[in-house]
Amino acid sequence: AQKITQTQPGMFVQEKEAVTLDCTYDTSDQSYGLFWYKQPSSGEMIFLIYQGSYDEQNATEGRYSLNFQKARKSANLVISASQLGDSAMYFCAMREGRGLTGGGNKLTFGTGTQLKVEL
Amino acid sequence: EPEVTQTPSHQVTQMGQEVILRCVPISNHLYFYWYRQILGQKVEFLVSFYNNEISEKSEIFDDQFSVERPDGSNFTLKIRSTKLEDSAMYFCASSSGTGGGNQHFGDGTRLSIL
Repeated sequence: AQKITQTQPGMFVQEKEAVTLDCTYDTSDQSYGLFWYKQPSSGEMIFLIYQGSYDEQNATEGRYSLNFQKARKSANLVISASQLGDSAMYFCAMREGRGLTGGGNKLTFGTGTQLKVEL
Repeated sequence: EPEVTQTPSHQVTQMGQEVILRCVPISNHLYFYWYRQILGQKVEFLVSFYNNEISEKSEIFDDQFSVERPDGSNFTLKIRSTKLEDSAMYFCASSSGTGGGNQHFGDGTRLSIL
């Protein structure tokens, strides 16, 4: 089974509208972290937002918020007031457990959602 | 804000040649990683490195690959006898291990094998 599933290969949104990018995950660990990264066409990976499995509040960072539904194992990214510069590929990723090396465990990525913001 | 730097940004190499990709992680970080992204595909984990040794590696990271931290600042990925299928974007990342383990990524090295 896929550990991270992003079912939307492509999404369109009008400028200034909100958009939700879906992410579901699969883990048997109690301690894990969920991340969203943005990858513009230039190729770099930009960290957007993080949610820990024990965090009771949904994470927010400016126009980004993470809709964390633990029982459903979903961690959807909400972008409010979309801008043309938000057009990019968005990846959901998970860090499982803490292991012997603390928080240094690998990230497992989903296949991404290509977001295009239109005028 | 401190950042992870990778050199070169683009490397073109003949098949069968050795290539070294270089990374300078954020200075106070303890965990270092290499990932790769074949064009149009998802990012895949290759290897993690902590306390001067490999802490985890994927099935992709076979004997063709090696990593090294030759001094206090650089972290390198060596690919011996490159193959066409090694063509990809290679990302270096580092983390402090705290704050959820957020990993800071470099801008990547695009490796093209001819």
